[in-house]
Order: sequence, then structure tokens, then C-alpha cells
Amino acid sequence: GAGVSQSPRYKVAKRGQDVALRCDPISGHVSLFWYQQALGQGPEFLTYFQNEAQLDKSGLPSDRFFAERPEGSVSTLKIQRTQQEDSAVYLCASSSYGRQETQYFGPGTRLLVL
Amino acid sequence: KQEVTQIPAALSVPEGENLVLNCSFTDSAIYNLQWFRQDPGKGLTSLLLIQSSQREQTSGRLNASLDKSSGRSTLYIAASQPGDSATYLCAVKKGSGAGSYQLTFGKGTKLSVIP
Repeated sequence: GAGVSQSPRYKVAKRGQDVALRCDPISGHVSLFWYQQALGQGPEFLTYFQNEAQLDKSGLPSDRFFAERPEGSVSTLKIQRTQQEDSAVYLCASSSYGRQETQYFGPGTRLLVL
Repeated sequence: KQEVTQIPAALSVPEGENLVLNCSFTDSAIYNLQWFRQDPGKGLTSLLLIQSSQREQTSGRLNASLDKSSGRSTLYIAASQPGDSATYLCAVKKGSGAGSYQLTFGKGTKLSVIP
């Protein structure tokens, strides 16, 4: 595709609900990243995939957060039993293979937990 | 742990002025540094990327410099325009080891250019 796409763009959840956020990376991009951006803050790293392998999940804040990329393309970030502190914008980025490559970001999913 | 600080947090300038945004980082062992632009409700757009071996990069009216040893970078915007109004984020990539693919961001500088 032309760029990284994310869906839904907005999600309102009641506390305790499970949510699933989707990311469609740029076609052919090997690397995929998830970041969390709280209001007034910079994005913070959550997890990194290389193809279908999750190589780094050190940024996931708790075991309620789970990410997958089963076929090495589309990725889903799942949050179980959502809490108010999970309210944030969740950004997905993709890049070609290699640390020198620029990460291209999607528009984000804004999650509000009531 | 790497920490990235951006000063000022917000800046308002009249159209046509030149301006400088500042970024500092605590660990000088970086692989590269990027400046991004973020518009409300949108994702991040990469503006300039400076490798650790480089001193500066230029694109149009934008110039970014890097002083790795002192842990500082500046983004210079010449002849500012209302369309430049956005939040500007600085991000560094770790030099090596665990976590070397992830970006560490500052909180950003919110720029308003007044017509």
C-alpha cells in the first residue's frame, strides 16, 4: 500500500473490556514496531517484529498486552481487561530490513478507556 | 537508560522568522538521530535523519545538526510558514546491544507560526 494503515482510528472501551488494534504495514517491510503515546508525551516503544518473529517485547507494560504478526505482514496489538491508564494513541511503524532504515508511521489508534 | 529532552516545550513565532529547536540526550552511544513532525490526529513524518558519523543534514528550509559527544542536536527552520505549525519530535536509536532497533523519543516541541 501507499503507507502504514491502522484500524480502528478511534476506540472507546469500558474498563475491563478487551480490545484489538490492527496495523497494516507498507508492503514488503520486514520490520514492524508498536509504540504507545500518552497525551503530551513522546511515543514509547512497546514491541518489535522481524517478519513473524517478535524479537523484542521489552516495552509491553504488563502481561495484559499481547502482540502478534502470524504471517509476517498484518499485526494486531491486543489489550486484555483494559484500564484507564491504557488510554493513549497506539502507533504502528514499519521499515525495510536494517537498523539504518527509516521507520514509517501510521496515523495511530486513539484508545479511550472509560 | 537513554533520556531525550526537548526545549522549549512550546514556541510561537511570527511568520518569516528563523527558529531553532533543541534536543539533548543522555547517552552519546547512539546509532542515529531523527527529527519527526506530528500533526494533530496524524502519525509521524520523518523530516531528517542524521547518522552518528554525520554532523548535519539539510532538506529545503530545514537543517539539523548533531554533536554526539555533547549529546545535542538542533533543528533549524528558516523563513517559517504557518504550514510549519506542528509538534516536532526528536528520536535517537541506540548504538548497539539490546533494544538497538527501537527509537527513544523526546516529548516534543509544539510550534505555532502566526500569519
